[in-house]
Amino acid sequence: GEQVEQLPSILRVQERSSASINCTYENSASNYFPWYKQEPGENPKLIIDIRSNMERKQIQGLIVLLDKKAKRFSLHITDTQPADSAMYFCAASAYQGGSAKLIFGEGTKLTVSS
Amino acid sequence: NAGVIQTPRHKVTGKGQEATLWCEPISGHSAVFWYRQTIVQGLEFLTYFRNQAPIDDSGMPKERFSAQMPNQSHSTLKIQSTQPQDSAVYLCASSLGDWGYYAEQFFGPGTRLTVL
Repeated sequence: GEQVEQLPSILRVQERSSASINCTYENSASNYFPWYKQEPGENPKLIIDIRSNMERKQIQGLIVLLDKKAKRFSLHITDTQPADSAMYFCAASAYQGGSAKLIFGEGTKLTVSS
Repeated sequence: NAGVIQTPRHKVTGKGQEATLWCEPISGHSAVFWYRQTIVQGLEFLTYFRNQAPIDDSGMPKERFSAQMPNQSHSTLKIQSTQPQDSAVYLCASSLGDWGYYAEQFFGPGTRLTVL
């Protein structure tokens, strides 16, 4: 299968706390895992990605973890701000020897309240 | 860099009419992808091209949908005999390549198609 499951679908946190979103994937050939942020009426924008040769990647307050054995990856947003409120989508692709298409999770609506 | 350009931004068609959506990828990008976004189905892959050649159309409905990339500067998605269930935001994305560190996909603003 190729499905990507994303949880939770709704996440509410207080400002300055952390937020975590988890995704699992089925295709063992998947080797690229981007995360996109989408604000209302806007297009999805890449915020961080990780490839299968890494287990952890951090860009400022964004941390991505990848567990290939468990076929699981996660996004952690530290020190959240109201501006982090948006839809977040995880995705997976198997570009090496396969297709570069992105299979998306169902999305997480994150609300950060002040 | 203007980013991925999609036209029109909004399109309203009557049931049974044809709709053609246009995408201009970022200059120099060799891979072009089409996705569809709805509240119910989320973000779904439709098809993609590399260097204008069709590579994977596994997400395309077999009837009524077709995509082309006649040159490196634009791709079209055509929907014949549109149905209300085709209503969605159609997103085009492009990437430098479709492997390795060139795989980052940049999305256009989308075309919101409404079929009455």
